[in-house]
Amino acid sequence: IAGITQAPTSQILAAGRRMTLRCTQDMRHNAMYWYRQDLGLGLRLIHYSNTAGTTGKGEVPDGYSVSRANTDDFPLTLASAVPSQTSVYFCASSEFPSVAYEQFFGPGTRLTVL
Amino acid sequence: GENVEQHPSTLSVQEGDSAVIKCTYSDSASNYFPWYKQELGKGPQLIIDIRSNVGEKKDQRIAVTLNKTAKHFSLHITETQPEDSAVYFCAASNANAGNMLTFGGGTRLMVKP
Repeated sequence: IAGITQAPTSQILAAGRRMTLRCTQDMRHNAMYWYRQDLGLGLRLIHYSNTAGTTGKGEVPDGYSVSRANTDDFPLTLASAVPSQTSVYFCASSEFPSVAYEQFFGPGTRLTVL
Repeated sequence: GENVEQHPSTLSVQEGDSAVIKCTYSDSASNYFPWYKQELGKGPQLIIDIRSNVGEKKDQRIAVTLNKTAKHFSLHITETQPEDSAVYFCAASNANAGNMLTFGGGTRLMVKP
């Protein structure tokens, strides 16, 4: 069982380019999340999805979009990247609703926007 | 929305000593408080969590305490080992309103052999 996989592992991107970060989970979890982690800061929620076909905005959604066409995949798209989007991006999933609230995290994607 | 403050930002202890990390939260509706450990180059991993109907929870060398009145919760690691060195994050959520976590800023724990 792989858990959560993210791709790419790292990417250097020119400002203004479009980029999609991929996230796939094989745990059949209903809920999925995207966070960004900046140096010296904790993780901040970008977007979330409680179930396939639905999405919602987190704390820092501007400049990002997501889709949830099926249970397993939750891609994050930067339509026109800017240097302030340089960060490490983590995808996570959890059962929802459930008494088990644990969020399982992927290994992250390190994105640099120049 | 929820705001979670975490202290200290760095903590250095000698192997075998105890380490304590403290967090405060602002939203009284929060009822789920997990702690995550993040090793270099990896995603966070849950080490222990506590729900609002419990004041303390222990798992081997790790314990978490929760004071709902004061809106603070703490992580206690006893008999620290070098492999405990990592960044630790606290978080809070209102699990009844969606499982969206608000994280503290993190504590870099260094255990010196």
